[in-house]
Amino acid sequence: NAGVMQNPRHLVRRRGQEARLRCSPMKGHSHVYWYRQLPEEGLKFMVYLQKENIIDESGMPKERFSAEFPKEGPSILRIQQVVRGDSAAYFCASSPGQTQPQHFGDGTRLSIL
Amino acid sequence: GQQLNQSPQSMFIQEGEDVSMNCTSSSIFNTWLWYKQDPGEGPVLLIALYKAGELTSNGRLTAQFGITRKDSFLNISASIPSDVGIYFCAGLLPSGGGADGLTFGKGTHLIIQP
Repeated sequence: NAGVMQNPRHLVRRRGQEARLRCSPMKGHSHVYWYRQLPEEGLKFMVYLQKENIIDESGMPKERFSAEFPKEGPSILRIQQVVRGDSAAYFCASSPGQTQPQHFGDGTRLSIL
Repeated sequence: GQQLNQSPQSMFIQEGEDVSMNCTSSSIFNTWLWYKQDPGEGPVLLIALYKAGELTSNGRLTAQFGITRKDSFLNISASIPSDVGIYFCAGLLPSGGGADGLTFGKGTHLIIQP
């Protein structure tokens, strides 16, 4: 019973490059959520997706950030033209339904040089 | 946006002591969840609460969903060294009440002195 799988665990990018973060939900889970965590802070909701649909992106910055959850393959969080302020841990969670508990992956730690 | 006020921010206790932490909000939540996060890892679900007044246990952990639906507490009895970590409360707003994701508190750091 694999849990939520995120990769890479660590990602280093230079300012202006693109970052792609991947998330495979738990088996049987069709709801995926992305969160960002800064040091000493709680997680902040970014986006909620179901297969091929973005349901709620109210926590996503309007520019440079995008997310997808294609019919086949993992969910992708994409950050274009990264800046130093994008440095954070990005966590993915999945659930079998919107009102059911979310289970988290171990995150991707993004560092911007 | 919505906020969860979690307290205390940190706790220094002796092994064997009981622990209590809580979260409050000005908003009503449909679901309260408690997670534990260890360094370098993702949050791990401890307890999920779905109904106002609900009291649920998971081993030495007990959590309650407040009657007003605006608060929750987590108790840990007879703490042991592996309880060390950061504990987060998280709430899910009613549908249409805001973001569809969880709202998190800022965490309670639990430190256990031998």
